[in-house]
Amino acid sequence: SQQGEEDPQALSIQEGENATMNCSYKTSINNLQWYRQNSGRGLVHLILIRSNEREKHSGRLRVTLDTSKKSSSLLITASRAADTASYFCATAAYSGAGSYQLTFGKGTKLSVIP
Amino acid sequence: DGGITQSPKYLFRKEGQNVTLSCEQNLNHDAMYWYRQDPGQGLRLIYYSQIVNDFQKGDIAEGYSVSREKKESFPLTVTSAQKNPTAFYLCASGQGAKDSPLHFGNGTRLTVT
Repeated sequence: SQQGEEDPQALSIQEGENATMNCSYKTSINNLQWYRQNSGRGLVHLILIRSNEREKHSGRLRVTLDTSKKSSSLLITASRAADTASYFCATAAYSGAGSYQLTFGKGTKLSVIP
Repeated sequence: DGGITQSPKYLFRKEGQNVTLSCEQNLNHDAMYWYRQDPGQGLRLIYYSQIVNDFQKGDIAEGYSVSREKKESFPLTVTSAQKNPTAFYLCASGQGAKDSPLHFGNGTRLTVT
């Protein structure tokens, strides 16, 4: 079952602008992660935010988490053409027997126009 | 360099044939995962393994089988029972802890005609 849902499905911006992607989920989570996927390649982990954190930064990335609204946002500042990719949120939740499962959304396709 | 290797990158098979996708990691990770990705869709979990000689079904295990005889290797067999096998298959590994990220291979694109 897919827990996270990203919004928008696609986003096109000019180089230098900021890009904001949102993720909503349904059940309680342990943490939420954002991944990036270039066309035809595997996913690359970007950032993880725990359920007791509200905001996290990494370079040009800023992630927020609102557990009361069950939502997260990823902000990429000063975008570059090389940021063109699909971005996925993934929620980690306890699945029993001491294990945690990561469930991915359908992704936001970001195009940064030079 | 540490990482995950999936092979081959492209695979073509005729309907009715079983096919095995390879996944090898040298990151010393305990946990390994297989995901399926269809166009415009997110990743769906097929199987996962948290330790050698043990594996669990994910959300869409029907028509697939796996083995975990070595820590480094987690091959996926797509059997003839899988109704829609054409897809992009991604293998991942992780330390198995709740807040450890996954490391992905570059995928195998399987086309069955």
